[in-house]
Amino acid sequence: DQQVKQNSPSLSVQEGRISILNCDYTNSMFDYFLWYKKYPAEGPTFLISISSIKDKNEDGRFTVFLNKSAKHLSLHIVPSQPGDSAVYFCAATGANNLFFGTGTRLTVIP
Amino acid sequence: DAGVIQSPRHEVTEMGQEVTLRCKPISGHDYLFWYRQTMMRGLELLIYFNNNVPIDDSGMPEDRFSAKMPNASFSTLKIQPSEPRDSAVYFCASSPWAGGGNQPQHFGDGTRLSIL
Repeated sequence: DQQVKQNSPSLSVQEGRISILNCDYTNSMFDYFLWYKKYPAEGPTFLISISSIKDKNEDGRFTVFLNKSAKHLSLHIVPSQPGDSAVYFCAATGANNLFFGTGTRLTVIP
Repeated sequence: DAGVIQSPRHEVTEMGQEVTLRCKPISGHDYLFWYRQTMMRGLELLIYFNNNVPIDDSGMPEDRFSAKMPNASFSTLKIQPSEPRDSAVYFCASSPWAGGGNQPQHFGDGTRLSIL
């Protein structure tokens, strides 16, 4: 059973607009949530994280929001750029394990 | 700084053959992880090591899969005998800690395995 779910396999956004990637989880004991970005033929690279005690973390164009009551987090990218086109994985940590979602492929159209 | 290094990048072999995937973690990282990526399940954790000792291998799908870490700078993932359903991209990752937000894992570029 997937403990971390990304229900949208793909997303297309115009350059300059906002990209919103969503993630749901089932385990309320997760203590950190992370987003990784993956380009073709490369490994995932860490993008941004948020502690379970916070509801927002911002780093430049990237902001992650956490809604613990809904067990939902989202990644906002604004403004979106063509170089942001990649697969984005949501992940959650708990009990020394890291659980990944299945990924969302973001395409930013110039 | 060298990242996590995996070899080979691509492996194509026939069903029944033994496959060995290799990983060199980042120096100083005490944790090493093996993942498998498939379309259906995304990134699945297979096994992880702490200080060369296997800690959790509950993700290893079958006895055909085995992993070793003989020293701090080298690990292998072996499949024997291989089957077509083992075809996937296998990633190795390392981190200073088990995976908290302040110490994210660093991934290699993966081995794309195709079993014919």
